[in-house]
Amino acid sequence: DTGVSQDPRHKITKRGQNVTFRCDPISEHNRLYWYRQTLGQGPEFLTYFQNEAQLEKSRLLSDRFSAERPKGSFSTLEIQRTEQGDSAMYLCASSAAGQLTNEKLFFGSGTQLSVL
Amino acid sequence: SQQGEEDPQALSIQEGENATMNCSYKTSINNLQWYRQNSGRGLVHLILIRSNEREKHSGRLRVTLDTSKKSSSLLITASRAADTASYFCATAGSGNTGKLIFGQGTTLQVKP
Repeated sequence: DTGVSQDPRHKITKRGQNVTFRCDPISEHNRLYWYRQTLGQGPEFLTYFQNEAQLEKSRLLSDRFSAERPKGSFSTLEIQRTEQGDSAMYLCASSAAGQLTNEKLFFGSGTQLSVL
Repeated sequence: SQQGEEDPQALSIQEGENATMNCSYKTSINNLQWYRQNSGRGLVHLILIRSNEREKHSGRLRVTLDTSKKSSSLLITASRAADTASYFCATAGSGNTGKLIFGQGTTLQVKP
């Protein structure tokens, strides 16, 4: 158990619906990352937060995707008007990176999204 | 986008044999990490090697890094059936973001 929790574990939705996923990182971690992974591929970076600030978003992230981390603790990832191409595993990770070092990431078990 | 490629894409060996996976990347890095993923689960960190290191060991794992060739290898010695999983290399760039760029992974099957 890595300590990063994601909810729900599975989500089935119809095309055009909005979905929201939640991630609770390890409590003392100040950085939180969202990745997307499709079958047979490695995780693809979407966005990351340091505390409550969203510091980077992938150019692959369309306007239909939005992420928040309002109090620097848990984070939500919302996908509006879902498309079948959004079907993937959405992974959250956190880290306790300091000023000078890049640290390892701790991943949650992911949310598997299926868009019908 | 993916940072680079991993080779082979799939590997099948017998228990007790060694498994070697290779990873190539494209840009300058601060460190390179290897992760393991069991089917349908999240990733688990295995080992980190910094850009100024050439080799690192952790238990049955041995990682090498050649920054001149932009490549790394992961060796698992005396493999066990429980090592069956997908293995990913990931690179951290020179900026202090902690963001990792992952390869496409190697699927390892260890037959008992």
